[in-house]
Amino acid sequence: DTAVSQTPKYLVTQMGNDKSIKCEQNLGHDTMYWYKQDSKKFLKIMFSYNNKELIINETVPNRFSPKSPDKAHLNLHINSLELGDSAVYFCASSPEGLRPGSEKLFFGSGTQLSVL
Amino acid sequence: KQEVTQIPAALSVPEGENLVLNCSFTDSAIYNLQWFRQDPGKGLTSLLLIQSSQREQTSGRLNASLDKSSGRSTLYIAASQPGDSATYLCAVRFLMNRDDKIIFGKGTRLHILP
Repeated sequence: DTAVSQTPKYLVTQMGNDKSIKCEQNLGHDTMYWYKQDSKKFLKIMFSYNNKELIINETVPNRFSPKSPDKAHLNLHINSLELGDSAVYFCASSPEGLRPGSEKLFFGSGTQLSVL
Repeated sequence: KQEVTQIPAALSVPEGENLVLNCSFTDSAIYNLQWFRQDPGKGLTSLLLIQSSQREQTSGRLNASLDKSSGRSTLYIAASQPGDSATYLCAVRFLMNRDDKIIFGKGTRLHILP
């Protein structure tokens, strides 16, 4: 009955590979997010998305792309992985749309990506 | 530029003591502020959400306050327990013309000494 679930929990891969991280929420929320937590534990938003609009953080390389097959899923695709992509990636969701409101963020447990 | 700062980066406190964690932000134009805890190797758990119109929120032994004008929030933990050991993150949702922008502090790593 996990609210926001992401897979895999750990991902180890070689430089240059393409990989995906999956995220699903069963809360009926409208908006989903991807965050990156670096080695210094700093969390930074990468994308926020509902089925109408995608907002991209301008610092995110275009090797990263979110894909949403439906409202409950937001997967993260990463092409041509680089060493600096090693981090923990968190998926999150919130009930309201992209215009900020008062609702909470609900997070997945994270995917630790290690690029060798 | 909006920034969120949490000081101290780490804190050790004997069990049973009350403690305060601090969060400051550079822009008072915010929608809300949320406190999270993060346990090692796990995701973030929401503790308290304070809307911009509110001054404080309480949940059990936790009390979060918000002072928008001074750009500060505090998380008060009463009668601390070893299970409270975790990293506590403050996240501020800033008002923007178009984009939804949530910025996290770097967290305070709390260790409760048994």
